[in-house]
Amino acid sequence: GAGVSQSPRYKVAKRGQDVALRCDPISGHVSLFWYQQALGQGPEFLTYFQNEAQLDKSGLPSDRFFAERPEGSVSTLKIQRTQQEDSAVYLCASSLGLAANTGELFFGEGSRLTVL
Amino acid sequence: QKEVEQNSGPLSVPEGAIASLNCTYSDRGSQSFFWYRQYSGKSPELIMFIYSNGDKEDGRFTAQLNKASQYVSLLIRDSQPSDSATYLCAVYNYGQNFVFGPGTRLSVLP
Repeated sequence: GAGVSQSPRYKVAKRGQDVALRCDPISGHVSLFWYQQALGQGPEFLTYFQNEAQLDKSGLPSDRFFAERPEGSVSTLKIQRTQQEDSAVYLCASSLGLAANTGELFFGEGSRLTVL
Repeated sequence: QKEVEQNSGPLSVPEGAIASLNCTYSDRGSQSFFWYRQYSGKSPELIMFIYSNGDKEDGRFTAQLNKASQYVSLLIRDSQPSDSATYLCAVYNYGQNFVFGPGTRLSVLP
């Protein structure tokens, strides 16, 4: 696709419900990042993939959060037993490659999660 | 803990003035520095990136980097109301993740 695509754009979940957020990066982009952005805050790093390998998941706030990218393209962020503090916009971004000079992140429109 | 700090603002400037946005970072190994603009309700979009000490100009935008002081700034000349947005500073170290600052809200007053 022409850009990074995320779905759903909006999700309302009842507390305790499981949710899955999908990210379809730009074709050929090796690196994929997930960020959580609360209202009025900057994006907070969650996890990072290089192809199918999850190289860094240090930002995942708890073991209720899980991300995968099994074939090195589409990624899914899963949140189990959602809590109200999980309410945020979840941003996915992809980047072309590995070289030190490669840095531009292309962001999707985000998935806004509201937990009631 | 790698940190990127910015003044949250809001920074208000009159139309036509120069807006100056500042960012400091804690990781001395950081190699690449980025400024993203984020309109309300939208995703961030890249404005400029800089790797080397000094200035880099692109149209009305100038990024300045001082690695010794761990400081990066963005100047916007001839500010326009359409520049009103949140500006995010991001820092990257090769092989690691991008760390974003909290953003500075800029308001350009007509």
